Amino acid sequence: DVKVTQSSRYLVKRTGEKVFLECVQDMDHENMFWYRQDPGLGLRLIYFSYDVKMKEKGDIPEGYSVSREKKERFSLILESASTNQTSMYLCASILGGRNTGELFFGEGSRLTVL
Amino acid sequence: AQSVTQLDSHVSVSEGTPVLLRCNYSSSYSPSLFWYVQHPNKGLQLLLKYTSAATLVKGINGFEAEFKKSETSFHLTKPSAHMSDAAEYFCVVRFSGNTPLVFGKGTRLSVIA
Repeated sequence: DVKVTQSSRYLVKRTGEKVFLECVQDMDHENMFWYRQDPGLGLRLIYFSYDVKMKEKGDIPEGYSVSREKKERFSLILESASTNQTSMYLCASILGGRNTGELFFGEGSRLTVL
Repeated sequence: AQSVTQLDSHVSVSEGTPVLLRCNYSSSYSPSLFWYVQHPNKGLQLLLKYTSAATLVKGINGFEAEFKKSETSFHLTKPSAHMSDAAEYFCVVRFSGNTPLVFGKGTRLSVIA
């Protein structure tokens, strides 16, 4: 059974803390994505990665960074958490190239910043 | 910029009546199109996808979508709504290979008994 696994389902952090969200997929997918989901706004793309050590900014990259040192792992980093980063964070992966298969999602990480 | 527009943020139907959730996208030569569903407090699940085969795509749970290139639309339909269909539905487009998937803002479907 294919899987995208996010390390933490629920986190509570304080303003200014550094936050790491980890995502691992076991499908050998080239492309990986981090989205945040907020009511009424749908899913907004934060960062994506075409392949190992490659990264591209999405629509809302401010306040975030990412790391892709290995193909299966894509990490999202909040250098200094702020209350407006309270959200549901979703990691996803998909095959690269022209033949697009299905986008697989993790279960999400709900982050609360106090 | 490439965009996906879900024309209704909320649709309410009676149980047993047809469902229509509308989606339009900015023009693209050969897009890949998806519908995902998210039930309350659950993850996103693929309903169906179009990737340049038949223009009428059948998905899970009786849902269908028709790709109309001339109208740049990919509307989701179901002949008869069930209470368990109440959820949020997202139209998603990949405009070309190795690019991010672009999400619509979602349509919340309510089903009334």
